Amino acid sequence: DGGITQSPKYLFRKEGQNVTLSCEQNLNHDAMYWYRQDPGQGLRLIYYSQIVNDFQKGDIAEGYSVSREKKESFPLTVTSAQKNPTAFYLCASRPGQGHEKLFFGSGTQLSVL
Amino acid sequence: SQQGEEDPQALSIQEGENATMNCSYKTSINNLQWYRQNSGRGLVHLILIRSNEREKHSGRLRVTLDTSKKSSSLLITASRAADTASYFCATDAPPSGTYKYIFGTGTRLKVLA
Repeated sequence: DGGITQSPKYLFRKEGQNVTLSCEQNLNHDAMYWYRQDPGQGLRLIYYSQIVNDFQKGDIAEGYSVSREKKESFPLTVTSAQKNPTAFYLCASRPGQGHEKLFFGSGTQLSVL
Repeated sequence: SQQGEEDPQALSIQEGENATMNCSYKTSINNLQWYRQNSGRGLVHLILIRSNEREKHSGRLRVTLDTSKKSSSLLITASRAADTASYFCATDAPPSGTYKYIFGTGTRLKVLA
């Protein structure tokens, strides 16, 4: 069953703690994205990767880090430097050059304890 | 920065009526896409319109694009209760090939049965 899997669905972070959100896709897509969504708001781009071992900052990259060591995986780490991490995080992928449509996972809700 | 602003922010209509939502953006674009999000879920792609197109149809959806006004509209005809969701526009600004997608603030549509 092809798709994008985000885990966990709910995640809690303690003050000063780093947490990592998982995003895995078995669609053989080249590009992957991370977005943050605050309640009742639109999506804001955190990081995106067009190809393995390469990624670019989005509009709100401060306090976040990513890696793209494998084509199917694009984990997002929310560091302690991110002072307001409570949000809904969405991962997306795109087949590659010439393909514009994004495919989304079902999201991870991160809350601060 | 969010490229797109949707209006209205919220819309409530009766089943069978048409729903129109608008998206305005700030810079020139390669294409504009519309996505739908059910509460607490990921986004689903609806339709894409390129910068050289003025109108596009897909089933009950009609999208228009006016590049001179930097705006797009999404019309859902003969709405159903199942159309209740948030709708977002997303733009891919030039240069071509960056595939950096910026989303608008969204319109929350409620269709009353």
